[in-house]
Amino acid sequence: DSGVTQTPKHLITATGQRVTLRCSPRSGDLSVYWYQQSLDQGLQFLIQYYNGEERAKGNILERFSAQQFPDLHSELNLSSLELGDSALYFCASSPDGTYKAGYTFGSGTRLTVV
Amino acid sequence: EDQVTQSPEALRLQEGESSSLNCSYTVSGLRGLFWYRQDPGKGPEFLFTLYSAGEEKEKERLKATLTKKESFLHITAPKPEDSATYLCAVPYSSASKIIFGSGTRLSIRP
Repeated sequence: DSGVTQTPKHLITATGQRVTLRCSPRSGDLSVYWYQQSLDQGLQFLIQYYNGEERAKGNILERFSAQQFPDLHSELNLSSLELGDSALYFCASSPDGTYKAGYTFGSGTRLTVV
Repeated sequence: EDQVTQSPEALRLQEGESSSLNCSYTVSGLRGLFWYRQDPGKGPEFLFTLYSAGEEKEKERLKATLTKKESFLHITAPKPEDSATYLCAVPYSSASKIIFGSGTRLSIRP
């Protein structure tokens, strides 16, 4: 157990629907990162939050949004889902919002869009 | 453009057969290079950080080395439990986030 908790572990939904993925960072970590991993794209950075504020943005689609709450948990919202959004979504956390100590990853949410 | 390339894509070894995985990168002003291990269906697990050319880090049967343009992950006398995908990553030139390579899928046969 890495200390980063992601729920749900699996999600199956239809095209056009909206889903919310949840992440609780490791105790004491202030920063959360979201990554998407698909077979043909590898791990793609989506977005980073630090202590409730957006810190960095990657290749995140406009249909996707995220936020970090005062208790530091984060949610990734995916809307108007398409078949191509099927992937593993990982959350990672770090203590200080930098990469220097490495990221701690959760076990991921496997999203299947049918 | 910042880029990380790993080779080979897949590597099958016999137990005890040593080898190396390669990670080459093109970023301006390298500020660190990271190695992660990922088991199927799980999140990546942090292994090493290397900061400067010539630096080496070791953990059990793994040794990571860094030059100015690439890093190697040497695996000595591997065991079946070393089977996993090994990912390397570097920070973007202009931001605090890191970019991952596509990984090397390592399989060790008993």
